[in-house]
Amino acid sequence: DAEITQSPRHKITETGRQVTLACHQTWNHNNMFWYRQDLGHGLRLIHYSYGVHDTNKGEVSDGYSVSRSNTEDLPLTLESAASSQTSVYFCASSGGNRGLNTEAFFGQGTRLTVV
Amino acid sequence: RKEVEQDPGPFNVPEGATVAFNCTYSNSASQSFFWYRQDCRKEPKLLMSVYSSGNEDGRFTAQLNRASQYISLLIRDSKLSDSATYLCVVNPGTGGFKTIFGAGTRLFVKA
Repeated sequence: DAEITQSPRHKITETGRQVTLACHQTWNHNNMFWYRQDLGHGLRLIHYSYGVHDTNKGEVSDGYSVSRSNTEDLPLTLESAASSQTSVYFCASSGGNRGLNTEAFFGQGTRLTVV
Repeated sequence: RKEVEQDPGPFNVPEGATVAFNCTYSNSASQSFFWYRQDCRKEPKLLMSVYSSGNEDGRFTAQLNRASQYISLLIRDSKLSDSATYLCVVNPGTGGFKTIFGAGTRLFVKA
């Protein structure tokens, strides 16, 4: 069965370190998204991609970067981790043209703690 | 004004009650709408799509009001297992590039 997986599921890192969260989907979806979820804020979009070599900034992109070298993967990198980036991170993918009219499938989330 | 707004709740209702959530959106060109359900510490999952004509799935009914720019979710005969956070999701129209999630409405169903 097609799926979307995130790794690691839990990560503790130190302030200032570079961290990469992996997201891999086997749906062959064009569209992939990274969100963070904090209490009281719901899901906030970090970056998104509509296809290979396409990346776009979301509403909370500062301090994060992504790259899309193939259809299946959209890794999220925290260039220099900060305590404010402690959060739960969700990756999602959807099919269709630029995400319109299609269901999004989510990974199980990565709980990141920056100490 | 946020692009998608929801009453955060929480809504505390007894089993068997009917409960309704509303969600407003700011982009009048938005084309598609969904309700997602999220259980504590889990990933969001699609509950149902929302169509202009309204749609029903068992105890759940979703409605879209384009004139007033809101969507609603009605849950009848609430079950304990309905306790979760319900997220309103809007996909913008042509030229828009991202799926927008509301912050969610928490529902607690009590025995």
